Amino acid sequence: GAGVSQSPRYKVAKRGQDVALRCDPISGHVSLFWYQQALGQGPEFLTYFQNEAQLDKSGLPSDRFFAERPEGSVSTLKIQRTQQEDSAVYLCASSLVAGAARGANVLTFGAGSRLTVL
Amino acid sequence: RKEVEQDPGPFNVPEGATVAFNCTYSNSASQSFFWYRQDCRKEPKLLMSVYSSGNEDGRFTAQLNRASQYISLLIRDSKLSDSATYLCVVNRMNTGFQKLVFGTGTRLLVSP
Repeated sequence: GAGVSQSPRYKVAKRGQDVALRCDPISGHVSLFWYQQALGQGPEFLTYFQNEAQLDKSGLPSDRFFAERPEGSVSTLKIQRTQQEDSAVYLCASSLVAGAARGANVLTFGAGSRLTVL
Repeated sequence: RKEVEQDPGPFNVPEGATVAFNCTYSNSASQSFFWYRQDCRKEPKLLMSVYSSGNEDGRFTAQLNRASQYISLLIRDSKLSDSATYLCVVNRMNTGFQKLVFGTGTRLLVSP
């Protein structure tokens, strides 16, 4: 696609519910990142995929957070048993190349999924 | 202590003013540096890269001081449309990929 597409744009969940957030990166982009942005803060790194391989998940806040990219394109971020502190905007970004390649740090962000946990 | 530190502001300036933002970073392994702009309820977008020699893009000038681990952004002749949050970003290699680390952002409000 022309840009990074995320859905849903807005999600309201009751505490304890499971949620799934979807990211469609730009077609052909190798790298995919998930970031979490709380109100008034900058984006915080959650996890990184190179194609279907999850190379780093060190930013995931707890084992309630799980991300996958099974075919190396669409990615899903799943949050189980949501808590109020999970309320944030979840941003997905992709990049054409990976590793140390020139341009691997040029990210295109999606508009984000705004999660509110009541 | 955060890896990238910025004054959150807000900076309130009149149209036409010159305003400067600063940022410090703690990881000396950081390799490249950027300023991103984020409008309210929108995604971050790349504003400009930052080089040691200093670089300019129209009314915007960015500067990097590697010795002091300090990055700056200068905006001249501020416009109402410059109102946004400016995110300082550093990039470093991390277990086989390039990881962007964001500051908290500095909010700029330009008034008529």
